[in-house]
Amino acid sequence: KNEVEQSPQNLTAQEGEFITINCSYSVGISALHWLQQHPGGGIVSLFMLSSGKKKHGRLIATINIQEKHSSLHITASHPRDSAVYICALGGNEKLTFGTGTRLTIIP
Amino acid sequence: DTEVTQTPKHLVMGMTNKKSLKCEQHMGHRAMYWYKQKAKKPPELMFVYSYEKLSINESVPSRFSPECPNSSLLNLHLHALQPEDSALYLCASSLRQGANEQYFGPGTRLTVT
Repeated sequence: KNEVEQSPQNLTAQEGEFITINCSYSVGISALHWLQQHPGGGIVSLFMLSSGKKKHGRLIATINIQEKHSSLHITASHPRDSAVYICALGGNEKLTFGTGTRLTIIP
Repeated sequence: DTEVTQTPKHLVMGMTNKKSLKCEQHMGHRAMYWYKQKAKKPPELMFVYSYEKLSINESVPSRFSPECPNSSLLNLHLHALQPEDSALYLCASSLRQGANEQYFGPGTRLTVT
């Protein structure tokens, strides 16, 4: 079993829809990271969480340490949100990456 | 300055060539990372430098040779690569090694012919 699993693997939605991407993990962590990668591009760090909830613009990230689960929400989705969203576990030395969720927002 | 820069953006090299990838940051970060990313896969960690010393080498073949000449600069020297080494090479930095937020560069897309 992978240490970190994301769902769904692929998600297509209409512009304006509320989006939820999930990340479950099975090991102890010091922090959980949500990253965004546009096609052919570099990676942007969206959030680093160790507890609770963070909000930045239309993006919200939550984490439940007891249940070892995190979610990334996008409100009022827009085609420019189309990207791969990666959950990564922060440990003492390095990140452990999930396989990513490919999000496509249709105008 | 909250940016990690990487040069070149694209690189095509033959299997007998020697080339280098360069990564630079001026955020005072003391940990720097090299990742390799194949299409539709998550990044794979290659090397970590902490305070200019090699901290992690994820059993990377010796045809990849990292170098950290100072706290702002990270190089990846390439020699005798194979076509399967073609990938996006990402550099990242963080304040300290470990759980700190990592800042990623735009990557170098490498093609080995």
